[in-house]
Amino acid sequence: DAKTTQPTSMDCAEGRAANLPCNHSTISGNEYVYWYRQIHSQGPQYIIHGLKNNETNEMASLIITEDRKSSTLILPHATLRDTAVYYCIVRSSWGKFQFGAGTQVVVTP
Amino acid sequence: DSGVTQTPKHLITATGQRVTLRCSPRSGDLSVYWYQQSLDQGLQFLIQYYNGEERAKGNILERFSAQQFPDLHSELNLSSLELGDSALYFCASDAGGLLDTQYFGPGTRLTVL
Repeated sequence: DAKTTQPTSMDCAEGRAANLPCNHSTISGNEYVYWYRQIHSQGPQYIIHGLKNNETNEMASLIITEDRKSSTLILPHATLRDTAVYYCIVRSSWGKFQFGAGTQVVVTP
Repeated sequence: DSGVTQTPKHLITATGQRVTLRCSPRSGDLSVYWYQQSLDQGLQFLIQYYNGEERAKGNILERFSAQQFPDLHSELNLSSLELGDSALYFCASDAGGLLDTQYFGPGTRLTVL
């Protein structure tokens, strides 16, 4: 599975959009981009995933560049409860996710 | 609530002991995964079972073993425990199909003293 690179941390003001970048320059054609988040030692929570088209659900939007070498997770209106570690994962085959260090997002009032 | 349940929530034991962690997957899910999260290692994949059979193995120590039962619940057995085994252990499940989304349980926090 391709490796991802994310910033270590970022801050976001409550009510503003949070844009979380992820680089996956070695991604191959059949690999999907997944986003999970982990709130303070709870189980990771699924957010969204995509292959090449932009995706949106009730939690977030996922924007994947045309060359698929990077993506951005957008939390449209961040709340204090969105404070968490966000993981970007590239996945191609059955089963396991390879979690990196993720991005620690802190939403401030 | 993901629908994946894990017991116990907390476990405190001594070095050299053996413990069993239990996981019940979401209703309808055939595949179960175990992950370990320690402070210095992040989330590490241990092992995957699909419909009772081992499907994939990750960084699982020989002192650790797992199985999935006919009712699809899974147990992770940790033996000859060492201080370094202290960690959060997460179970996840999915339907077993290619690229199915995994849903994680709340975890078991193991402390080895």
